[in-house]
Amino acid sequence: GAGVSQSPRYKVAKRGQDVALRCDPISGHVSLFWYQQALGQGPEFLTYFQNEAQLDKSGLPSDRFFAERPEGSVSTLKIQRTQQEDSAVYLCASSLPTSGRAKETQYFGPGTRLLVL
Amino acid sequence: AQRVTQPEKLLSVFKGAPVELKCNYSYSGSPELFWYVQYSRQRLQLLLRHISRESIKGFTADLNKGETSFHLKKPFAQEEDSAMYYCALNPNSNYQLIWGAGTKLIIKP
Repeated sequence: GAGVSQSPRYKVAKRGQDVALRCDPISGHVSLFWYQQALGQGPEFLTYFQNEAQLDKSGLPSDRFFAERPEGSVSTLKIQRTQQEDSAVYLCASSLPTSGRAKETQYFGPGTRLLVL
Repeated sequence: AQRVTQPEKLLSVFKGAPVELKCNYSYSGSPELFWYVQYSRQRLQLLLRHISRESIKGFTADLNKGETSFHLKKPFAQEEDSAMYYCALNPNSNYQLIWGAGTKLIIKP
């Protein structure tokens, strides 16, 4: 594809609402990463997939956060019972190598800006 | 703890002047370090990585293990260099990247 795409680009949610954020990686990319970027900060790692396998979810801040990639392509990050501290930009990135090593170039999507009121 | 520090949130220089964006890291092993850039209304993209020892858009960065630094430099700044710059560390060659908070570079005409 043309690049990593994410939807929606903007999401406003009321506190307590569930949200689902979608990521379409570059076609054929094995590795997929989710990051959370708070205002004025750098991205923080949330989770990593190699194909459909979630190999690392150590960065997910709580059990309200859940990510899946059932067919090894599109991924969804779900946040249940959103809180104000969840407000951030959620970035998705993909890379090609099967090793999933971060030293390979990660290609980023435009991000989803989530605002929880 | 593994950490990346970019001490300047904002750096403003005149066109044609030299630029140095500072990055310090905390990691006891052999790190892999990167600079990513985000231009206005564009997505994050890789600028350069230390293992390639390359120069991209006139920028270079040298890993200094003694000072645990990976500063980004350009001898003559151009207006199109205005952007957010992030330094990132890959410890242990695993898949996680640890990011600095970023430096906003403004090049004044």
